[in-house]
Amino acid sequence: DAKTTQPTSMDCAEGRAANLPCNHSTISGNEYVYWYRQIHSQGPQYIIHGLKNNETNEMASLIITEDRKSSTLILPHATLRDTAVYYCIVRVGRGAGNNRKLIWGLGTSLAVNP
Amino acid sequence: EAQVTQNPRYLITVTGKKLTVTCSQNMNHEYMSWYRQDPGLGLRQIYYSMNVEVTDKGDVPEGYKVSRKEKRNFPLILESPSPNQTSLYFCASSLLGTGERGYTFGSGTRLTVV
Repeated sequence: DAKTTQPTSMDCAEGRAANLPCNHSTISGNEYVYWYRQIHSQGPQYIIHGLKNNETNEMASLIITEDRKSSTLILPHATLRDTAVYYCIVRVGRGAGNNRKLIWGLGTSLAVNP
Repeated sequence: EAQVTQNPRYLITVTGKKLTVTCSQNMNHEYMSWYRQDPGLGLRQIYYSMNVEVTDKGDVPEGYKVSRKEKRNFPLILESPSPNQTSLYFCASSLLGTGERGYTFGSGTRLTVV
């Protein structure tokens, strides 16, 4: 599975958009980009994932560059409760027999400030 | 409510005393996995299971055992715990196949071995 590079920490003002970047320059054609977050030692929470196209759900938007070597997670209106560590992970998605192992980096610690 | 339930949340034990951390999910997920999280190392996979009676080692299986006798349960067994197994443990589950999204994680078990 490809590795990812994320900034160690970021700040964001409450109510503004938080844009979290991720580099995955060695991603393979069948690898998905997943985003999770972890709030203070709680269990990680799935946010969103994508393969090629941009994706949006009730939590966030995921923008993947055309060459798929990087992506950005966007929290459109960050709140204090979005303060967490955000993990960008790439791995093979669907397919019987695959270990769904996620290789976790250390993520980006996002602080949303009042 | 769809969830992964781990017990106990906190456990302090002594070296060599066998213990079991339970994990149960109510989403009929085929795939289940155990991770440990240590400072500076991120989450690392211990064991995983693709379905009932199908288990396999992850990246750090030494000192751990698992079983999958029922689809909903995936206990983690430490036959002879040692201080280097002091960690935060997470159980996770997911669907396989076209219904797959991301993992659902439990709330974690903080284990201290003295």
